Amino acid sequence: GESVGLHLPTLSVQEGDNSIINCAYSNSASDYFIWYKQESGKGPQFIIDIRSNMDKRQGQRVTVLLNKTVKHLSLQIAATQPGDSAVYFCAENGDTGNQFYFGTGTSLTVIP
Amino acid sequence: DAGITQSPRHKVTETGTPVTLRCHQTENHRYMYWYRQDPGHGLRLIHYSYGVKDTDKGEVSDGYSVSRSKTEDFLLTLESATSSQTSVYFCAIRAGTGANTEAFFGQGTRLTVV
Repeated sequence: GESVGLHLPTLSVQEGDNSIINCAYSNSASDYFIWYKQESGKGPQFIIDIRSNMDKRQGQRVTVLLNKTVKHLSLQIAATQPGDSAVYFCAENGDTGNQFYFGTGTSLTVIP
Repeated sequence: DAGITQSPRHKVTETGTPVTLRCHQTENHRYMYWYRQDPGHGLRLIHYSYGVKDTDKGEVSDGYSVSRSKTEDFLLTLESATSSQTSVYFCAIRAGTGANTEAFFGQGTRLTVV
C-alpha cells in the first residue's frame, strides 16, 4: 500500500505566526497531491492542491511546496488564526490516479 | 458539503449483525469513495467506485462490500459487523473529468459495534 506520513503529529503556534506542516510520501508515481483540513466532528475540507509539474502553489494565506526529489510536501499557513486550529492531512493519488492515500494527520493548535 | 449526504450519521449495532451505510450525492460525479478514520491511522480507503456497477477495492476492504446501482448512491455493507469495524466512515466524491481533481467529503457516519 501507499505510505504517506507526517513528520510531526502535533504543532502549536502563536496566533499571527506562520505555520509549516510537513508530509513525506512514498510513491514516486503519484502526480497529484492535496492538503485537507479537518475540524472536530466534520469531514475533511479541501484546502489546496498541487500537480507534480509544479513545485509551488499559493492560495489565500496558504502555500504548498512540493519537492519530488525527496518526495516531500509542505503546507505553509501565513498569519495563523485561531480558526486554523484543526487536523491537517496530506493526500496523494497513487499509481492509478483514481485513489487518494492519506497521511495520519497533524494536529495544529493556535495559541491566542 | 458539496451535495453529499451520509446516512445514518450515528449507529450502534451488535457484533454479527449486517449494517449498510449510504452515501448520496447530488453532483452526478463519477467517482465515489468510502474511507474509515481511526486514531493513529488517518483515513484509509475501503472501496471506491468509478461508475455505476464499477467498483474496486482499497487498502482495507476485508469485511466490507459495496454496491452502486445508481450514479447518486454508493452503499457500504458490513455483512457481519465486528468490533474492529467501530470507526468513523466517510464518503467522498470526485468529478474525475480527466484531469486530477480534488475529492469532497461528507460529514461522516460514526459506527459503534458492541
